Amino acid sequence: AQSVSQHNHHVILSEAASLELGCNYSYGGTVNLFWYVQYPGQHLQLLLKYFSGDPLVKGIKGFEAEFIKSKFSFNLRKPSVQWSDTAEYFCAVTPPAGTALIFGKGTTLSVSS
Amino acid sequence: KAGVTQTPRYLIKTRGQQVTLSCSPISGHRSVSWYQQTPGQGLQFLFEYFSETQRNKGNFPGRFSGRQFSNSRSEMNVSTLELGDSALYLCASSLGTLNTGELFFGEGSRLTVL
Repeated sequence: AQSVSQHNHHVILSEAASLELGCNYSYGGTVNLFWYVQYPGQHLQLLLKYFSGDPLVKGIKGFEAEFIKSKFSFNLRKPSVQWSDTAEYFCAVTPPAGTALIFGKGTTLSVSS
Repeated sequence: KAGVTQTPRYLIKTRGQQVTLSCSPISGHRSVSWYQQTPGQGLQFLFEYFSETQRNKGNFPGRFSGRQFSNSRSEMNVSTLELGDSALYLCASSLGTLNTGELFFGEGSRLTVL
C-alpha cells in the first residue's frame, strides 16, 4: 500500500547535537511534502513545506529539509538542537491528484539539556 | 484570528454508544479534514469536506461519518463505539481552493471508550 514511512520512532539527543529525521514516501508522480511538529500540550503546526523548486527548504526555528526525488525522501535536519525542540515530528505527503494529507507515524524527539 | 475550535475537548463513552464531535474552522476556510491520532498508528485520515461535500475518505468503517454545514463547521459521528475507537480526534482546516496540504489543526477531542 502507498504510504509515508518515518524511520525512527524515538530519537534522544543532547543539546547542540545535530538532528536528521528520515522520511520516505511511496507515491509516484508529483507530491507536496510537509513536516509538522507537535510540542507537548500543543496542537500540530506546520514546520516547513515543499511544493516545487529548490529541493532544500527552510522552515521555522532553524529546521530545514531536503527533497531527494530519486530516493522518494524528504529528511528533516537541524544543525544544533535545543531542549525546546523536544516534540513529536510528523512527515506528511499530499499524493498526486489527491486531496488528503497522509501522515507518517511520527518521530518523538527528546532533547536533554 | 481565532484558530480551529473543537468541542468537546474530552469525553468518555461506553461501548455501543455513539458520539458526535464538532469542529469550527478558521474563518474563511472552506475545507475541513478529520484525523484519528493514536500512539500506535499516528495520524490516520478519516475524511475531508469542502463546501459541504465529502471530497475524500480514508479507510475507516461506515460507523465513522461526517458532514459539513454551509458555514463550514463540521461534525463527525461515530456509532456503535468500540474500545479501539479511543483516540484523539483532530480537525484541521484550510482555505481549500487547492489542496496545498497546509492544514491548521485544532487541539483535538480526546475520546475514551470504556
